Amino acid sequence: GDSVTQMEGPVTLSEEAFLTINCTYTATGYPSLFWYVQYPGEGLQLLLKATKADDKGSNKGFEATYRKETTSFHLEKGSVQVSDSAVYFCALSPNLNDYKLSFGAGTTVTVRA
Amino acid sequence: GAGVSQSPSNKVTEKGKDVELRCDPISGHTALYWYRQRLGQGLEFLIYFQGNSAPDKSGLPSDRFSAERTGESVSTLTIQRTQQEDSAVYLCASSSEGGIGYGYTFGSGTRLTVV
Repeated sequence: GDSVTQMEGPVTLSEEAFLTINCTYTATGYPSLFWYVQYPGEGLQLLLKATKADDKGSNKGFEATYRKETTSFHLEKGSVQVSDSAVYFCALSPNLNDYKLSFGAGTTVTVRA
Repeated sequence: GAGVSQSPSNKVTEKGKDVELRCDPISGHTALYWYRQRLGQGLEFLIYFQGNSAPDKSGLPSDRFSAERTGESVSTLTIQRTQQEDSAVYLCASSSEGGIGYGYTFGSGTRLTVV
C-alpha cells in the first residue's frame, strides 16, 4: 500500500540556518503530496502541496518539489526563524478526489535564537 | 465554529474503562475524519463520514472502536475496554466536501493515556 517515510528528528537549528526535511514515498500511479505543520498547541495545518511531477509547492518561505524519478518531496527553507519551530508531516493521497491521507511519522524542528 | 474543536484535550483512563472523545467540526463541513497518532508513528486513518452516506470504517483497529455522527454535526469516537496500546493522540478533521482537494482542517487533538 501507499506509504511515506520522512527523516527522523528531532532537528535543532540556529536562526537563519538552512532547513531540509527528507520525505520519500511509495505509491502506485501519481499521488498528490503534502506537507503539514503542527505548531505547539495547535492543530495540523496544510503548509504546501503538489499534485503532479515536477510541481513545486511553496508557502511561508518553504518549498518542496515533487520528484517522481526519486519518489521524493523534500521540504526546504533557506533561512529559518524561531517561529518555524513545529512538527512537520509529509503526507500523500492517491489523488485529490480521495479522502485518505497517508502520513509520515513527523519531524520535530526546534529553531534557537 | 471558527475551527474544529475536540474535547477533552487530555484524558487519562484506567485500562478496561470506556472513553468517549468528541469532535465538533466547522459549521457547514459535510466531511469528517478521525485519525490516530501513536508515539513515534504517522497518523493512521480511522474513519470517514460524508453527509448521510455510510461511513468508511475501514481504519478502525478493532471492534472496541466505534464512531457516530449526527447529521453534519458533532461526532463521537468511543473506545470500549481500553488497552494500553490505545494510548495515542486522536485527531479529528473536517472539510467542506469529501476529498483531500477540498482541504482538511484539523482539530488540536485529544491525548489519551491508558494506565
